[in-house]
Amino acid sequence: AQSVAQPEDQVNVAEGNPLTVKCTYSVSGNPYLFWYVQYPNRGLQFLLKYITGDNLVKGSYGFEAEFNKSQTSFHLKKPSALVSDSALYFCAVRDRPPENYGQNFVFGPGTRLSVLP
Amino acid sequence: DAGVTQSPTHLIKTRGQQVTLRCSPKSGHDTVSWYQQALGQGPQFIFQYYEEEERQRGNFPDRFSGHQFPNYSSELNVNALLLGDSALYLCASSLGTSGSADTQYFGPGTRLTVL
Repeated sequence: AQSVAQPEDQVNVAEGNPLTVKCTYSVSGNPYLFWYVQYPNRGLQFLLKYITGDNLVKGSYGFEAEFNKSQTSFHLKKPSALVSDSALYFCAVRDRPPENYGQNFVFGPGTRLSVLP
Repeated sequence: DAGVTQSPTHLIKTRGQQVTLRCSPKSGHDTVSWYQQALGQGPQFIFQYYEEEERQRGNFPDRFSGHQFPNYSSELNVNALLLGDSALYLCASSLGTSGSADTQYFGPGTRLTVL
């Protein structure tokens, strides 16, 4: 069964400092990995995904994530945090069963990022 | 290019009632998934529709049912509402290509409150 862990409920960082939001996963095969962000009273917005290829994935709003197969991790990073980055971040994984239509995503519990001015 | 839309935005029901939530997918998408997001938790997969059929289902009781129409829009129905059904219900659309890693795009959600 697929699972996602986000070990930190809350991450606090000062504006201008680098940020990291951690994610580890468990799947039976090769994973598809995603990061989404949720602002208050809003749906989820797609940030980036890893499918294959380069382990460093670049996404929206200056975010990037590093896929590490040996550590089964997919940490979200940004070199310089903005106050406007404060939101709830979700890591998600999808397994790749063959002949399977669509995307049954499994989401982590979320990490609340607070960027302090 | 219209994104995923959901209606209504908010809904208040009482225990035992039935509710229908609606979703229109992003232009060009043919697959719709529904998720339940309880307060303080990550979204939980309810089910997914493609070609007007339920293709996958999460661990939700039969009180949760759905439908997809020929124009790819979808409805989520919940019968015999319980207090625990209070949550944000998210609709996500994607291209339902087998084995692909197409991104799911989410709507703003419907906030359901059961009293």
